[in-house]
Amino acid sequence: QVQLQESGPGLVKPSETLSLTCTVSGDSMSSYYWSWVRQSAAKGLEWIGRVQISGFTIYRPSLRSRLTMSVDESRHQVSLELTSVTAADTAVYYCAGVSAGASDLLHFDTWGPGIFVTVSS
Amino acid sequence: DIQMTQSPSSLSASVGDRVTITCRAAQSITNYLNWYQQKPGKAPKLLISAASSLQSGVPSRFSGSGSGTDFTLTISSLQPEDLATYYCQQSDSAPPTFGQGTKLDIK
Repeated sequence: QVQLQESGPGLVKPSETLSLTCTVSGDSMSSYYWSWVRQSAAKGLEWIGRVQISGFTIYRPSLRSRLTMSVDESRHQVSLELTSVTAADTAVYYCAGVSAGASDLLHFDTWGPGIFVTVSS
Repeated sequence: DIQMTQSPSSLSASVGDRVTITCRAAQSITNYLNWYQQKPGKAPKLLISAASSLQSGVPSRFSGSGSGTDFTLTISSLQPEDLATYYCQQSDSAPPTFGQGTKLDIK
């Protein structure tokens, strides 16, 4: 069974770049499509974007100009970079996946435990 | 974005009660509706996909129904371990969107 673990800094300064990594174990990365979802008190659960093993991405339109997601199959990692962060980007960030063979690729059948990121000086 | 609205926002029920949570989509999403359970301090867990398809390992007391814009999550006999917040999520079109959550307390 696939397992996910997010990692990265818990504190990022305003205007800087938030960089997170999701390490995947227990199954082939190519068997899944990978998303990042964040959760804050203000906005609830919010999908950020999705990346496939091919590198193809779909991003939330409101974040597209600041967002880069990528997959490194050799390192079993999914990465997220969000530039020019503000306090509004403070949230728990989850890595989530859906089986590539699913008929519905916009839900999430596996989740990491999440990482809390605060944006503050 | 498709707005998802859940009701109630919170509810309190006793062990053994039948509990119903509703979710309404701002436009038709056919059956592209998923339910998640989030226990305190944990990540969401997928309970039901495609409106009514119970995920493997999820107790049969959980069930989902509905299509179009109106959906329901039912717990047939509430158990203490069902203390959690429940979220609906539409997967009809990007970006996928979630309801605001229903916090379920055990009396």
